[in-house]
Amino acid sequence: GNSVTQMEGPVTLSEEAFLTINCTYTATGYPSLFWYVQYPGEGLQLLLKATKADDKGSNKGFEATYRKETTSFHLEKGSVQVSDSAVYFCALNPGGFKTIFGAGTRLFVKA
Amino acid sequence: DTAVSQTPKYLVTQMGNDKSIKCEQNLGHDTMYWYKQDSKKFLKIMFSYNNKELIINETVPNRFSPKSPDKAHLNLHINSLELGDSAVYFCASSLFGEGRNEQFFGPGTRLTVL
Repeated sequence: GNSVTQMEGPVTLSEEAFLTINCTYTATGYPSLFWYVQYPGEGLQLLLKATKADDKGSNKGFEATYRKETTSFHLEKGSVQVSDSAVYFCALNPGGFKTIFGAGTRLFVKA
Repeated sequence: DTAVSQTPKYLVTQMGNDKSIKCEQNLGHDTMYWYKQDSKKFLKIMFSYNNKELIINETVPNRFSPKSPDKAHLNLHINSLELGDSAVYFCASSLFGEGRNEQFFGPGTRLTVL
């Protein structure tokens, strides 16, 4: 079946540190891959996406590359800010109506 | 503003009551969803409608009944509320198709059952 596994949080970093949140997936075929972000008290919003192998999604300084050989879609940012504190969800859609979400990784960034 | 909106934002009620949550999207999407998010932020799909037809119905107690009067609205009615129903409920919408399916979420409804 289809599934998403992402690293457990919380992740605590100092401002300007490098961020990696690992995400691996299991799916048949060629799913679309997504990262969503949920700021405190809000709904999820799309951060970035990639729809085929070797695609790189990027937005607001965040990047993730669709790696089919390692079935991974790790989220990275070179220099985090306090305002990046949020919960990050990795997700996949295999082409149907259902999107599979990971368990979420909470990020705390200290000033 | 183009968005997914939900009402109410907060709902506090007693066990055994019946309540409804409303959702509307003005994005022109053809698919709408209800999710339940627990206190650990785990997100669980409950229902999905495509063009007013029910297409996803996960293992949800039949006390929960969705209704989609048109493509822009998806409401959730809950009968005989239980303590375990306390959670944040999110509505979302998307446009179904190849390379699409990115979802737009509402702000959530925090339901507290006392």
